[in-house]
Amino acid sequence: NAGVTQTPKFQVLKTGQSMTLQCAQDMNHEYMSWYRQDPGMGLRLIHYSVGAGITDQGEVPNGYNVSRSTTEDFPLRLLSAAPSQTSVYFCASSLGPNNEQFFGPGTRLTVL
Amino acid sequence: QQQVKQSPQSLIVQKGGISIINCAYENTAFDYFPWYQQFPGKGPALLIAIRPDVSEKKEGRFTISFNKSAKQFSLHIMDSQPGDSATYFCAAIHFPIQGAQKLVFGQGTRLTINP
Repeated sequence: NAGVTQTPKFQVLKTGQSMTLQCAQDMNHEYMSWYRQDPGMGLRLIHYSVGAGITDQGEVPNGYNVSRSTTEDFPLRLLSAAPSQTSVYFCASSLGPNNEQFFGPGTRLTVL
Repeated sequence: QQQVKQSPQSLIVQKGGISIINCAYENTAFDYFPWYQQFPGKGPALLIAIRPDVSEKKEGRFTISFNKSAKQFSLHIMDSQPGDSATYFCAAIHFPIQGAQKLVFGQGTRLTINP
């Protein structure tokens, strides 16, 4: 199993540009989530999904959209990038919301 | 609002020594307390975890000590090795009846093991 994979590893955007961060898992996990990691702030939940077709907002959802058309994939879309979205983004998955999450390697995003 | 406080921010230990990282939490509704190890450029990886009804858990050189009444828990790394050099995060998880898993990370400790 490849586990949780994320692409790209690095990305630089200009303010106002849009892009999609990709996340995929091959463990047949129902629960997937997106976090951002900022210095001194730990991880903050952006959006999560309890299964295909079902998504909901986390702690810091503004400026981000998600969809879950398949069990495997959970892309995160930045609609109009802002410098405040400069961060490291982690995707995670687990069998269900009551199980330990496995994290992907992360995407380091810089918005100029 | 930070619900899990971790200390120290950085720690330097000699090879073969004991590394100790401490965490304190506020919310008594947490169900699970994992520790994650993160190497540069990688995602956090689960290292060891404990439930609040257990006071200690040991896996190899890694031990979690848990004090429920004090709302504190700590990670001990025995016989620390240079390969243990990484950033360590404590965390607390509340498993929901429905909705999102609430996962709260500590601020992280950068551990360096000198050879």
